[in-house]
Amino acid sequence: AQKVTQAQTEISVVEKEDVTLDCVYETRDTTYYLFWYKQPPSGELVFLIRRNSFDEQNEISGRYSWNFQKSTSSFNFTITASQVVDSAVYFCALSEGLISNFGNEKLTFGTGTRLTIIP
Amino acid sequence: NAGVTQTPKFRVLKTGQSMTLLCAQDMNHEYMYWYRQDPGMGLRLIHYSVGEGTTAKGEVPDGYNVSRLKKQNFLLGLESAAPSQTSVYFCASVPSRGTLPYEQYFGPGTRLTVT
Repeated sequence: AQKVTQAQTEISVVEKEDVTLDCVYETRDTTYYLFWYKQPPSGELVFLIRRNSFDEQNEISGRYSWNFQKSTSSFNFTITASQVVDSAVYFCALSEGLISNFGNEKLTFGTGTRLTIIP
Repeated sequence: NAGVTQTPKFRVLKTGQSMTLLCAQDMNHEYMYWYRQDPGMGLRLIHYSVGEGTTAKGEVPDGYNVSRLKKQNFLLGLESAAPSQTSVYFCASVPSRGTLPYEQYFGPGTRLTVT
């Protein structure tokens, strides 16, 4: 069975500080995909990034960066120079491998980290 | 494109009542999903469908039924609502089976309260 753990339930930082959200996953599949979603106060889910298990390169998109380390089964998310608009709940998710599940793309979500940016 | 839409946005039910939540997508996506979101538990998969006329159980299917009679619609039914089904329900869809799992496109959610 696969599992996603986001140990940080809530984080508060002052605006312009950097913040890292942790995500640790468990899976027996050799092929899998990891995702981050943002849920702002309005409630919708916003896709941020997808990463496959064969690509361990870190990714940067503006103030956002992601660090994928297979050796520690972690896929951490860093926001640099945080802004009030970054306040949201962030979910890490894992998709089962194509081989074992015939590509049904089911997602297993972590419990989320509520990030509050203090102005 | 409207994307993924959900009807209704809010609903209050009494215990024992029944209702159907409608999810519609206009992107010709093959796969559709129903999740529920509860405080401190993230999103959990209720049922999903990999194509018109097919459905399968997810992690928490008890108390729910689904149907996918048309490709664009995925219905979630509660036959006899219980307070434990108070939650926010999200529908999602994925383009098609391919070599990659595409991002899931989520609807805006339905907030259901069962009293």
